[in-house]
Amino acid sequence: GESVGLHLPTLSVQEGDNSIINCAYSNSASDYFIWYKQESGKGPQFIIDIRSNMDKRQGQRVTVLLNKTVKHLSLQIAATQPGDSAVYFCADYSSGGSYIPTFGRGTSLIVHP
Amino acid sequence: GAVVSQHPSWVICKSGTSVKIECRSLDFQATTMFWYRQFPKQSLMLMATSNEGSKATYEQGVEKDKFLINHASLTLSTLTVTSAHPEDSSFYICSERGTGIYEQYFGPGTRLTVT
Repeated sequence: GESVGLHLPTLSVQEGDNSIINCAYSNSASDYFIWYKQESGKGPQFIIDIRSNMDKRQGQRVTVLLNKTVKHLSLQIAATQPGDSAVYFCADYSSGGSYIPTFGRGTSLIVHP
Repeated sequence: GAVVSQHPSWVICKSGTSVKIECRSLDFQATTMFWYRQFPKQSLMLMATSNEGSKATYEQGVEKDKFLINHASLTLSTLTVTSAHPEDSSFYICSERGTGIYEQYFGPGTRLTVT
């Protein structure tokens, strides 16, 4: 992902709404992507992954969409709950690399009850 | 997934002192561990890659003499912040590589505050 030293963008939603979090990456050689959730004061937790030969993958309440043409990822969370409040990061891996991810800037999701 | 612990979870130290942060793999033998730092409201920045039994590989701009990394066993890696300064105050997170090359399991992080 494009990691820059700016403050995190914030997405505020009401409980029950669907949330869409976006991420851009810059490396056209990236072939594997992960979304992580980081709650306040904790380390990141794996949510869902997708390979570059796919454009959509679904998990429980979450869907990741990949658009390689514009180097864009999105994470959709259905029926967002207060427990989903966290910072969400995308991370990308490039083929032929050292298998160390590049983290995106992150988005802070705030879910209002 | 693997379980990674860090100790301490938070630490406050005075400027000029050194602080050691431990990263333990509780249920997995991790040949490779990673150290990240994270400033408030920012992303994770990789500091170094730690391989068991060998010297760590530091990212560009990270002072290896200031951030000493030791990975002496398959279950323990340590990061020592030497001669800490207030600008070193940050959230330090370790992770271990799992059996799959893309797998990473993160520790809960250590909040360092240098006064």
